[in-house]
Amino acid sequence: DAKTTQPNSMESNEEEPVHLPCNHSTISGTDYIHWYRQLPSQGPEYVIHGLTSNVNNRMASLAIAEDRKSSTLILHRATLRDAAVYYCILFLDYGGATNKLIFGTGTLLAVQP
Amino acid sequence: DSGVTQTPKHLITATGQRVTLRCSPRSGDLSVYWYQQSLDQGLQFLIQYYNGEERAKGNILERFSAQQFPDLHSELNLSSLELGDSALYFCASSAGLGVYEQYFGPGTRLTVT
Repeated sequence: DAKTTQPNSMESNEEEPVHLPCNHSTISGTDYIHWYRQLPSQGPEYVIHGLTSNVNNRMASLAIAEDRKSSTLILHRATLRDAAVYYCILFLDYGGATNKLIFGTGTLLAVQP
Repeated sequence: DSGVTQTPKHLITATGQRVTLRCSPRSGDLSVYWYQQSLDQGLQFLIQYYNGEERAKGNILERFSAQQFPDLHSELNLSSLELGDSALYFCASSAGLGVYEQYFGPGTRLTVT
């Protein structure tokens, strides 16, 4: 399984945008980029995923570099509720065989009021 | 609320004992996953079932086993428990195989004394 590298921690101020980076230099053509987050004392929560193009949903935006070796999760206006560990995961589409998630150590995002 | 339920919420037991953790997936979801989260190992994939059949195995110990029943609920059995098995155990479900988001339950906290 290809690996991702994320900063251990980041800080942001409330109501400001947050850019969470992820490096995945060994990504292959069929790897999807998934983001999950884990709020304190809760199970992980799906945030967004993409393959090649930038993606937006109600929670966040995902910007994918043209060479796909890195991506950035963008929270447009951070709230205190966004304080969590954010995981960037490369998901290989095994052609329907399995869709297990391999979690790394993630980025702990702190949001200051 | 993800729609995935897990019971019990907390479990305290002694070394050498056997426990069963239960998971009910979201309505309509065919895939069930089990993950273990401990302080030293982080979030680790254990096993996946799809429509009653085992699909993928991760770092699951031989003392652990799982099954998915015809009504799609799943159970994770942990036997000959050791202190190191103390962890949070999460169940997740997804609609099927392929690139689907996973919905995680609130977890079962297992403490082995």
